[in-house]
Amino acid sequence: RKEVEQDPGPFNVPEGATVAFNCTYSNSASQSFFWYRQDCRKEPKLLMSVYSSGNEDGRFTAQLNRASQYISLLIRDSKLSDSATYLCVVNQGGKLIFGQGTELSVKP
Amino acid sequence: GAVVSQHPSWVICKSGTSVKIECRSLDFQATTMFWYRQFPKQSLMLMATSNEGSKATYEQGVEKDKFLINHASLTLSTLTVTSAHPEDSSFYICSASPGTSIDTQYFGPGTRLTVL
Repeated sequence: RKEVEQDPGPFNVPEGATVAFNCTYSNSASQSFFWYRQDCRKEPKLLMSVYSSGNEDGRFTAQLNRASQYISLLIRDSKLSDSATYLCVVNQGGKLIFGQGTELSVKP
Repeated sequence: GAVVSQHPSWVICKSGTSVKIECRSLDFQATTMFWYRQFPKQSLMLMATSNEGSKATYEQGVEKDKFLINHASLTLSTLTVTSAHPEDSSFYICSASPGTSIDTQYFGPGTRLTVL
């Protein structure tokens, strides 16, 4: 079983759609959680940290369920510029473990 | 914001040669630097963690004699791929952490290595 597993994707959605990404992690001792965004042939960039209480940043909402070892990211009113690969990342034992990413393509 | 640079951004070399990649933190001192590798359509995989002035800690399956890491100062780490082979072709990304928490990592733009 992969340490961090994401929806395989790709997700192709029209502008304005709401899209949800799911992620599960295998190690219950994982300490902190993040969503990163990676554009083609570029480095990953931190989108937001994820907390048990849930957190929102504009059109983006992240949720963490420690009991289920599940993390989600919701993007509302998607824009063309949201097209990228979204990476679920977990701090496990002092290392960042990356999921394989879910590709999102927003079409006009 | 914190900036991390990598040089070169891309390199093409012949099989058997060695390639050195530099990672610099430009506006902060990096207690810890990390080296990752990403193959096409795959996730970033941590190769090694380096702390200034000490030997790097390599992940399981990463050959320390093939991937030489030097972290000589708080702003510079280098990765040397020795005797590169086509299977070493990949996207190499470094990151730097300014403090003791690895939750905060600033990523370099990556180096695309192609070995012919």
